[in-house]
Amino acid sequence: DAKTTQPPSMDCAEGRAANLPCNHSTISGNEYVYWYRQIHSQGPQYIIHGLKNNETNEMASLIITEDRKSSTLILPHATLRDTAVYYCIVISGYSTLTFGKGTMLLVSP
Amino acid sequence: SAVISQKPSRDICQRGTSLTIQCQVDSQVTMMFWYRQQPGQSLTLIATANQGSEATYESGFVIDKFPISRPNLTFSTLTVSNMSPEDSSIYLCSVTGTAVDEQYFGPGTRLTVT
Repeated sequence: DAKTTQPPSMDCAEGRAANLPCNHSTISGNEYVYWYRQIHSQGPQYIIHGLKNNETNEMASLIITEDRKSSTLILPHATLRDTAVYYCIVISGYSTLTFGKGTMLLVSP
Repeated sequence: SAVISQKPSRDICQRGTSLTIQCQVDSQVTMMFWYRQQPGQSLTLIATANQGSEATYESGFVIDKFPISRPNLTFSTLTVSNMSPEDSSIYLCSVTGTAVDEQYFGPGTRLTVT
């Protein structure tokens, strides 16, 4: 059973904010929301994670709804190098990552 | 963050042969994982490489086909045995970072079996 649901693809203009949604309606109290991305021909790259509070780092912001059933990854000023497949993953403890199909984000000039 | 290298970066192998892929990390890590990414697909976990004990395999993967070694906390190998064209994939190793469950991935080994 898929723990997360993401749109298969999204487009974004360079310099604009990219908002990538993720639904995780069956998330349990001890599960974190993690985001990774995979640029073509590279290994996945960790972006950010959170439990229930919004988080921000040098790469992105993560907004988690109060009921924790969905979240949004925000790339505030998308660049062409942000074109990648973005994976939203829900896990607890030292669990193993299960990758779904993710969202293919295409950033265009 | 951990820096991970894999050897070889790519290889073309003949059916029926075996290939051993190496994963080297620049620091000691608790857990190491091996993934497979078939063409156009997402990543699938093959196994968790445990230091000092046998690897833990996911459903659909067996030790005879994918033997794994982990002699210390910075190194692991994955062997793809008796290869067939269906084994053509990118094989990636990953490790746990210092933060809770944050994982770092190697660049991958692109394997083509003819």
